[in-house]
Amino acid sequence: SQQGEEDPQALSIQEGENATMNCSYKTSINNLQWYRQNSGRGLVHLILIRSNEREKHSGRLRVTLDTSKKSSSLLITASRAADTASYFCATVSNRDDKIIFGKGTRLHILP
Amino acid sequence: KAGVTQTPRYLIKTRGQQVTLSCSPISGHRSVSWYQQTPGQGLQFLFEYFSETQRNKGNFPGRFSGRQFSNSRSEMNVSTLELGDSALYLCASSSRLAGALETQYFGPGTRLLVL
Repeated sequence: SQQGEEDPQALSIQEGENATMNCSYKTSINNLQWYRQNSGRGLVHLILIRSNEREKHSGRLRVTLDTSKKSSSLLITASRAADTASYFCATVSNRDDKIIFGKGTRLHILP
Repeated sequence: KAGVTQTPRYLIKTRGQQVTLSCSPISGHRSVSWYQQTPGQGLQFLFEYFSETQRNKGNFPGRFSGRQFSNSRSEMNVSTLELGDSALYLCASSSRLAGALETQYFGPGTRLLVL
């Protein structure tokens, strides 16, 4: 079964607003990664956060990780039309090293 | 550096046939993973190869197999195709040697349609 589950499934916001997506998972992880996918193309790695980290930043992206709640959030600040895409979290298990992707959040930035 | 390439980009097959997909990783990357993406099941891990050896495997039937060559290029084979095998097949490469799987670089995918 899918370990990472994103919430919400879909999100529409106005350009310039902030977008927040959440990811929950079930077992112990080594790291959690966020990827972006544009319309049926390959995925692009955005950011990785390790299990001993609580927050990471990369440009307009901010990721938090709460291992006690088994959850992570991805914040995109000052959204742009080019941010329109699907966003996936992926967890790497520290038990068997398998990576599991969630079903993604479809983000639509309105002009 | 050239990115991950996958061939072919599109493929149409009929039930019962077999198919082979190819993936060339980023130069220097020895880890190659394969994924199946469908609207219903999302992105599911098929297997990972490292230095010509299968390092990890997802929960797919034996009809799905793969291999990796000495130049790190990888192929994925699906035998006895079923309608449910219609999907986008993604390949990803990683520079990892030991330790947990980290950043992966994805190819554009091969879209397979089974009729």
